[in-house]
Amino acid sequence: DADVTQTPRNRITKTGKRIMLECSQTKGHDRMYWYRQDPGLGLRLIYYSFDVKDINKGEISDGYSVSRQAQAKFSLSLESAIPNQTALYFCATSEHRLETQYFGPGTRLLVL
Amino acid sequence: AQKVTQAQTEISVVEKEDVTLDCVYETRDTTYYLFWYKQPPSGELVFLIRRNSFDEQNEISGRYSWNFQKSTSSFNFTITASQVVDSAVYFCALSEEEETSGSRLTFGEGTQLTVNP
Repeated sequence: DADVTQTPRNRITKTGKRIMLECSQTKGHDRMYWYRQDPGLGLRLIYYSFDVKDINKGEISDGYSVSRQAQAKFSLSLESAIPNQTALYFCATSEHRLETQYFGPGTRLLVL
Repeated sequence: AQKVTQAQTEISVVEKEDVTLDCVYETRDTTYYLFWYKQPPSGELVFLIRRNSFDEQNEISGRYSWNFQKSTSSFNFTITASQVVDSAVYFCALSEEEETSGSRLTFGEGTQLTVNP
């Protein structure tokens, strides 16, 4: 079984809809991250969490919110989806600061 | 602010050729880590290597090798005797030591490598 899982893997939604992307991990890592990937732009950090009580904004957090329900679960929400949020979204985990980040399989989101 | 540049947007080679993917980084810190990730057509991100700023030894893993040179702020990746299965997007990434914000990875824009049979 994969150590970092994301659901759904693919999602199509309409402008204005609320959508939640979920991430679960079995690696036992404290740190979790959400990134988005756009063609030609690499990956950009949306939010990150050191533990259940510690959540921080990344470089592109506008239009997104997160919830760390447990050490193993970190959800990303789009409160009112817009077309330029169409992207590939990745969840990642790491054990400590500066340690390797391990990525989930990604969620492809299309906002119409 | 940290920055990673992968100047080669796309590279196309014929199978069995050697290919080098360039990565140049900018950082003001003396303690940092460099990474390479592979993204095959299926889309997942696969970790390849992690190197800290105090270890300039080159590393070889099978057909893969990495050349880290602090003097030129480069961390280049070479695939020897390339194979079709090496076709993927390759990302170089940099992580600095930050007291409050943890290990944030800054990614380059990626290099699309196509290996033709």
